[in-house]
Amino acid sequence: KQEVTQIPAALSVPEGENLVLNCSFTDSAIYNLQWFRQDPGKGLTSLLLIQSSQREQTSGRLNASLDKSSGRSTLYIAASQPGDSATYLCAVRENSGNTPLVFGKGTRLSVIA
Amino acid sequence: ETGVTQTPRHLVMGMTNKKSLKCEQHLGHNAMYWYKQSAKKPLELMFVYSLEERVENNSVPSRFSPECPNSSHLFLHLHTLQPEDSALYLCASSQDDSWYFGPGTRLLVL
Repeated sequence: KQEVTQIPAALSVPEGENLVLNCSFTDSAIYNLQWFRQDPGKGLTSLLLIQSSQREQTSGRLNASLDKSSGRSTLYIAASQPGDSATYLCAVRENSGNTPLVFGKGTRLSVIA
Repeated sequence: ETGVTQTPRHLVMGMTNKKSLKCEQHLGHNAMYWYKQSAKKPLELMFVYSLEERVENNSVPSRFSPECPNSSHLFLHLHTLQPEDSALYLCASSQDDSWYFGPGTRLLVL
């Protein structure tokens, strides 16, 4: 059974710092991996999607990498801002089609002004 | 704002009540999901509907009953719930690699 682990569970940094969030998964036979953001009391918003054949994806100040063989992904946030404060969730999908996402518990990020 | 809406946003119910959660998407997606989000736990998949047919039920207690009358609407009928069922219930829709989540229903069972 696929399990997704995210480290750290919580992180507090001063504004302007670069930071890395980690995600690992137990079964490397994934179809793709996705990073989401969740603000308090709200649903999830997709940030970056990496297909199993890709090594990284970038969007603005966000960069996600994938090392499928070792079962790891990182989300790098450059020049963090208070508006980045949220919970970041990593999810993997094991097949194409309508296969559901398997989630980690998330990393709660606080960026202090 | 996402293309998936959920009502109600907040719900308080007693253990003997019957209530329903509603989810709606007009994104043209062909799959819809119910997830449960509890404190300090990963999102737990409850039900998956693909083309209006239930394809997965992750051993969810029978006090939760899903209904998908068409590709745009998904319901979760609740009856005789337990306090441990208090959580955020998230609806999602997907098509290929595109996923959208609703804002969730915050449920408190007293």
